[in-house]
Amino acid sequence: GDSVTQMEGPVTLSEEAFLTINCTYTATGYPSLFWYVQYPGEGLQLLLKATKADDKGSNKGFEATYRKETTSFHLEKGSVQVSDSAVYFCALNPLPYKLTFGKGTLLTVNP
Amino acid sequence: GAVVSQHPSRVICKSGTSVKIECRSLDFQATTMFWYRQFPKQSLMLMATSNEGSKATYEQGVEKDKFLINHASLTLSTLTVTSAHPEDSSFYICSAPPLAGGDRETQYFGPGTRLLVL
Repeated sequence: GDSVTQMEGPVTLSEEAFLTINCTYTATGYPSLFWYVQYPGEGLQLLLKATKADDKGSNKGFEATYRKETTSFHLEKGSVQVSDSAVYFCALNPLPYKLTFGKGTLLTVNP
Repeated sequence: GAVVSQHPSRVICKSGTSVKIECRSLDFQATTMFWYRQFPKQSLMLMATSNEGSKATYEQGVEKDKFLINHASLTLSTLTVTSAHPEDSSFYICSAPPLAGGDRETQYFGPGTRLLVL
């Protein structure tokens, strides 16, 4: 079945460091790919998404490109801030609205 | 943005009792809501799809008699964990796509309910 594998955390960075969180997927069809973020005490929020190969999703300085050839959707940000500390989930939707999530990666950014 | 609330945020109960968790869409209507379960350091696992006015659809391996779902209105779905046991301890999260507005992939998540069964 469809699945998502993302890098194990936790990830600890200093402010203004470069961030990469790896995500790879297996899918039988052509799903959309998502990154969700969960801040402490809050629900998951959609960070960005890409609906087809070579699409780049971007939001709040974060980017991820849908790479069909490598089945990847790595999350990147050039300069992280303390406020970016959260858990990040990579996900795909094998069917509309039905999301398959990775295990989540805890990011801590220190000042 | 749209808001989904869950109540309670945290509950501790004795083994053998039943616990009800509410999921409400506060500023939009949803004919469908989803219930997820998250174990520590694990991904969110879809448990069931809650359908307003009809029976819930359960994912393979999820006991429908154990996890009762009722979607009583366009803004409320409830998950009842019946005869709870310690292995039911987990983090339960609901989500809802809006009935109107947004694209076909938009859905909003609640903050989750932490259940601990002693």
